[in-house]
Amino acid sequence: QHQLQESGPGLVKSSGTLSLTCSVSGGSISIQNYYWGWVRQPPGKELEYIGSMYYSGATYYNPSLRSRVTLAVDTSKNQFSLELSSMTAADTAIYYCTRHVFQYAFDIWGQGTTVAVPS
Amino acid sequence: QSALTQPRSVSGSPGQSVAISCTGTSSDVGAYNYVSWYQQHPGKAPKLMIYDVTKRPSGVPDRFSGSKSGNTASLTISGLQAEDEADYYCNSHAGTYTYVVFGGGTKLTVL
Repeated sequence: QHQLQESGPGLVKSSGTLSLTCSVSGGSISIQNYYWGWVRQPPGKELEYIGSMYYSGATYYNPSLRSRVTLAVDTSKNQFSLELSSMTAADTAIYYCTRHVFQYAFDIWGQGTTVAVPS
Repeated sequence: QSALTQPRSVSGSPGQSVAISCTGTSSDVGAYNYVSWYQQHPGKAPKLMIYDVTKRPSGVPDRFSGSKSGNTASLTISGLQAEDEADYYCNSHAGTYTYVVFGGGTKLTVL
């Protein structure tokens, strides 16, 4: 059973770029039928899909964030990553890395990492 | 405004049943049998409770069940227990451009 763990800075400057990494343990990231993605949750608010990717490199983005998001996978390190540019206070949230199937059922979640962007 | 509409809150007494609705459109909930439900306790990551409208992952009690009619999906929790008190979110596949949308969440209070 895969386990996920996010890592990255807790504070990002306004207009800066957020870089997060998700380390996958308990199994290979290069497994068919599973996608690796990111979901965020602003304080006291609902979940928001950021994007996801397949180990082959295919990527899928939330249209509202597409222009600012870069996803990558490193199969040699069993990790995948998120970069979100032009950060503002509105990007302050808990960022979760997740695993999902084609039907977008997110079945495994990391513990989440809090990212703040001072206004 | 969230893409999928959920009631802000629902409540029930121990042993009772409650239902949480999730209303979308013919482009998401109505178009695909790919609705999922998540339980989130304070300070914790969401946990998948229902997928593909009606299926339960291993380990999820059969007190949790899902259904769908038209553009509205529902999560029903029967035999309410104190530990069911949490926030519940739905999501739905939404096609090959938007991919997935979430509901605004429903706070379940066990009285």
